[in-house]
Amino acid sequence: ETGVTQTPRHLVMGMTNKKSLKCEQHLGHNAMYWYKQSAKKPLELMFVYSLEERVENNSVPSRFSPECPNSSHLFLHLHTLQPEDSALYLCASSPSTSNQPQHFGDGTRLSIL
Amino acid sequence: QKEVEQNSGPLSVPEGAIASLNCTYSDRGSQSFFWYRQYSGKSPELIMSIYSNGDKEDGRFTAQLNKASQYVSLLIRDSQPSDSATYLCAVPSYNFNKFYFGSGTKLNVKP
Repeated sequence: ETGVTQTPRHLVMGMTNKKSLKCEQHLGHNAMYWYKQSAKKPLELMFVYSLEERVENNSVPSRFSPECPNSSHLFLHLHTLQPEDSALYLCASSPSTSNQPQHFGDGTRLSIL
Repeated sequence: QKEVEQNSGPLSVPEGAIASLNCTYSDRGSQSFFWYRQYSGKSPELIMSIYSNGDKEDGRFTAQLNKASQYVSLLIRDSQPSDSATYLCAVPSYNFNKFYFGSGTKLNVKP
């Protein structure tokens, strides 16, 4: 399944670094999402974009900054992260923000030193 | 109260048995329900969708929905070792802007 592609697959960074996660979907969907998955915790929704407009910001710290330049691309810009931000970051897309299922990318495994 | 609740498991069943996974949700306005399978180190993969009360069958998988009881389940018949994974229940909010996931039930199918 290559409908939703995330890069990089693994990222190790220091707390003072700036990096970006990239997500691209080839499914013609109009909605895109960022999730955080930590060990033994449910998936946490971070951001929702519909037609490049942010429709949900789930009380995420400002050190995470999303960007959606078009309906096929989604970025998550990272700055001065904390060790507790180490997790699997998943991107997903769906036809719209409706009762249709989401399709996930393979995720970026992020480790903060 | 969590929006979506699942038993964390692990649920262990022998090969060939029926595995029964359960999920309850809190939003009475929810209209669609999804089951995802997640292998260790991998991303969630959609395996079943159900929108109306009753049963929906797809191969060895059957989803069951009871909106009055706010309960959705997944049955896996003839369980195989390859079914060993964590199963996530997902329920969109009434306005569809949020997708609530349960914490997942880990299933172990023993050969």
